[in-house]
Amino acid sequence: DAGVTQSPTHLIKTRGQQVTLRCSPKSGHDTVSWYQQALGQGPQFIFQYYEEEERQRGNFPDRFSGHQFPNYSSELNVNALLLGDSALYLCASSLGRFGEQYFGPGTRLTVT
Amino acid sequence: RKEVEQDPGPFNVPEGATVAFNCTYSNSASQSFFWYRQDCRKEPKLLMSVYSSGNEDGRFTAQLNRASQYISLLIRDSKLSDSATYLCVVKRYSGGGADGLTFGKGTHLIIQP
Repeated sequence: DAGVTQSPTHLIKTRGQQVTLRCSPKSGHDTVSWYQQALGQGPQFIFQYYEEEERQRGNFPDRFSGHQFPNYSSELNVNALLLGDSALYLCASSLGRFGEQYFGPGTRLTVT
Repeated sequence: RKEVEQDPGPFNVPEGATVAFNCTYSNSASQSFFWYRQDCRKEPKLLMSVYSSGNEDGRFTAQLNRASQYISLLIRDSKLSDSATYLCVVKRYSGGGADGLTFGKGTHLIIQP
């Protein structure tokens, strides 16, 4: 039973560039949530996708956008990268919007 | 004021000791409560849900006090493998949906041999 997978594992980008991160949910799950975890902090909720639509959103600017595909996988896009966007980006999947969330291993983004 | 507050530690305790973590939350609309464990450079993993009646899972006991908006985690007979960061997490339900999980900064626990 495959768990949540994310790609890439690590990524280095330059300020101003754009990045796309990918997530495949755990088998049987249909909802994907994205979180940003800065060093020494707890994860912060970015947004949640269900039925290919953004359903809930945390306090993040419009530079952060996403997409969910018919197979329930998801992408997180960040435009105009800032140094402060350097963080571990975690994807969590669940069965339904209220289900227990299982986290993937994350993508570590470094912006230089 | 942060929505979920925890003492970041680190807590250095000898193997076999009992250790307790506390957490407070500010939003009374919070409806579900959890403790997650996160190992260094790994993803968070659910340790246990927290119920008003209190719940126990082996060496771990969690308590919730809704009146005081306070959550606790007790670890008995601590093992070296318990060394990790423990994240206090709350969840709200609003607008027909569930808000994302709200995490505290985490409490760092180091079990010493």
